[in-house]
Amino acid sequence: GEDVEQSLFLSVREGDSSVINCTYTDSSSTYLYWYKQEPGAGLQLLTYIFSNMDMKQDQRLTVLLNKKDKHLSLRIADTQTGDSAIYFCAVAYSSASKIIFGSGTRLSIRP
Amino acid sequence: EAGVAQSPRYKIIEKRQSVAFWCNPISGHATLYWYQQILGQGPKLLIQFQNNGVVDDSQLPKDRFSAERLKGVDSTLKIQPAKLEDSAVYLCASIPSSGTSGKVQGTDTQYFGPGTRLTVL
Repeated sequence: GEDVEQSLFLSVREGDSSVINCTYTDSSSTYLYWYKQEPGAGLQLLTYIFSNMDMKQDQRLTVLLNKKDKHLSLRIADTQTGDSAIYFCAVAYSSASKIIFGSGTRLSIRP
Repeated sequence: EAGVAQSPRYKIIEKRQSVAFWCNPISGHATLYWYQQILGQGPKLLIQFQNNGVVDDSQLPKDRFSAERLKGVDSTLKIQPAKLEDSAVYLCASIPSSGTSGKVQGTDTQYFGPGTRLTVL
């Protein structure tokens, strides 16, 4: 079946890099996404990667995809207090019209 | 550009009562999604519309949940009767188009509304 898993919490020091990890089960993924959710707000798409890519960089964000291990990561460089949020990994499959979301990783920033 | 609008933002009801949520997607967006997000979990798709037609409602509990998008613009999601386990945030999202198949394309950014937080007592 289709399943997406993430660790629940991550705490980093302000200015350090944050790495949020995600694993998924179905190898027929097409697009993989990272969303950010701040308290009381909807989900905001941060970035996405196509399944035939290994890496994508967008300013402070770096996405790494290891398709063999079905592992996706999001690296946030120079983490700031404004990065505090829940980050969701989501996977779209060629066999379905829907996107499967992970349970989210709560990122907290300490001074 | 106005975002996805949802109302109400909060709703508290007792079990066995009925409730309805409303979503107005971004103007011109053909595809509309309703998600259920239970506390501590990721969003789970309930139903996907392409214009006024249903593309996927496989995870919609049809014995109590219903949704419609009669004119292919705004949409309502109804729960009747509500159960305690329906307490969640109900998110609406829209994208401009996903062709005729309803399949998601990577560049189709899903724009999410702020959600409706439902508490069933």
